[in-house]
Amino acid sequence: DQQVKQNSPSLSVQEGRISILNCDYTNSMFDYFLWYKKYPAEGPTFLISISSIKDKNEDGRFTVFLNKSAKHLSLHIVPSQPGDSAVYFCAAIFQGAQKLVFGQGTRLTINP
Amino acid sequence: DTAVSQTPKYLVTQMGNDKSIKCEQNLGHDTMYWYKQDSKKFLKIMFSYNNKELIINETVPNRFSPKSPDKAHLNLHINSLELGDSAVYFCASSQDRTHKADFGPGTRLTVT
Repeated sequence: DQQVKQNSPSLSVQEGRISILNCDYTNSMFDYFLWYKKYPAEGPTFLISISSIKDKNEDGRFTVFLNKSAKHLSLHIVPSQPGDSAVYFCAAIFQGAQKLVFGQGTRLTINP
Repeated sequence: DTAVSQTPKYLVTQMGNDKSIKCEQNLGHDTMYWYKQDSKKFLKIMFSYNNKELIINETVPNRFSPKSPDKAHLNLHINSLELGDSAVYFCASSQDRTHKADFGPGTRLTVT
């Protein structure tokens, strides 16, 4: 019963272009969404988040879009840089719970 | 000045043994977690403690027992280790009901 899904296990993008990572969820009770970035042999690190009352949040090169009707969110990285190569996890949480529900991750590779 | 630290980083042991993983956070957070990342790379919550009190206990075998001696520490003890326990275990912490969790670097457990 995977409530948060990232259907693309991997993505390859050329340096300087836009990277778009996608995430779908099934539980309409989720009211907060986060993206984490993970390098090999390290723990996930928080990247950006969005509340369900918004449809967009931007932080520098990173923008997260939320489409509640489609239960879909996406992370845009522009321009993509080699240091962005990592595994990106989408996560969701609903009010009252204190646990993140993670997707299975998408491995992003930025090619020079 | 590491925020969330775990020891050991690697743990190789035989089936049937008992082992512990230690976690400490110096962020002053009230809530600590244990997550398991299995061979399919899913990150799933196991336990959550708030101010030393267990608040989330997912469907985890009784062989796993968390211990929180104080707010800054959450240790994980595993009895009678099985092959299926091989995974990477991440400790994390967050400030009360905020959504952003800080993760430790992970402990890779290999059971032979």
